[in-house]
Amino acid sequence: GNSVTQMEGPVTLSEEAFLTINCTYTATGYPSLFWYVQYPGEGLQLLLKATKADDKGSNKGFEATYRKETTSFHLEKGSVQVSDSAVYFCALLSGAGSYQLTFGKGTKLSVIP
Amino acid sequence: ETGVTQSPTHLIKTRGQQVTLRCSSQSGHNTVSWYQQALGQGPQFIFQNYREEENGRGNFPPRFSGLQFPNYSSELNVNALELDDSALYLCASSQNGDYGYTFGSGTRLTVV
Repeated sequence: GNSVTQMEGPVTLSEEAFLTINCTYTATGYPSLFWYVQYPGEGLQLLLKATKADDKGSNKGFEATYRKETTSFHLEKGSVQVSDSAVYFCALLSGAGSYQLTFGKGTKLSVIP
Repeated sequence: ETGVTQSPTHLIKTRGQQVTLRCSSQSGHNTVSWYQQALGQGPQFIFQNYREEENGRGNFPPRFSGLQFPNYSSELNVNALELDDSALYLCASSQNGDYGYTFGSGTRLTVV
């Protein structure tokens, strides 16, 4: 079956530090990959996505590259801000016409001034 | 700004009771999925409705059921509530089940 493994948190960084959150996956076929962000008390917001191998998704300074050879989709940001404090979820959607997102357990990021 | 609204935001129920959670999805979105998010965990897929028919279910028992209506509203019904049903329930809509799922803010259900 499909599964997503994320690095465990919580992660605490100082403002302007470099961020990496690791994500690896197991899936049948050729999945699409996503990063979602959840701010306190809110639902999930799509942060970025990649639909095929070697695609790079990017948004708001965050980037992730779909690496088929290592089955990974690591999230990176060069300089984090306090407002980036949230929980980040890696997820996949597998197969044509698939309807089910499979999520990792989430990584809580806290950015301190 | 999210186009998916859920109600109520919080709810407390007693074990054995039944509950109905509601979702209003974006206009034009014919696919609605429901997810359960336990504290500290990632969301788990419950089921999906496409054009008012269920077309997929995760590893959840039949006491979790739902309806989708032509006016872009949906319901998640849970019968015979158990303590482990306490979680955040998320509704997500998309157009034809493609990549652009939009999530609501969720309903926090507590079963006591």
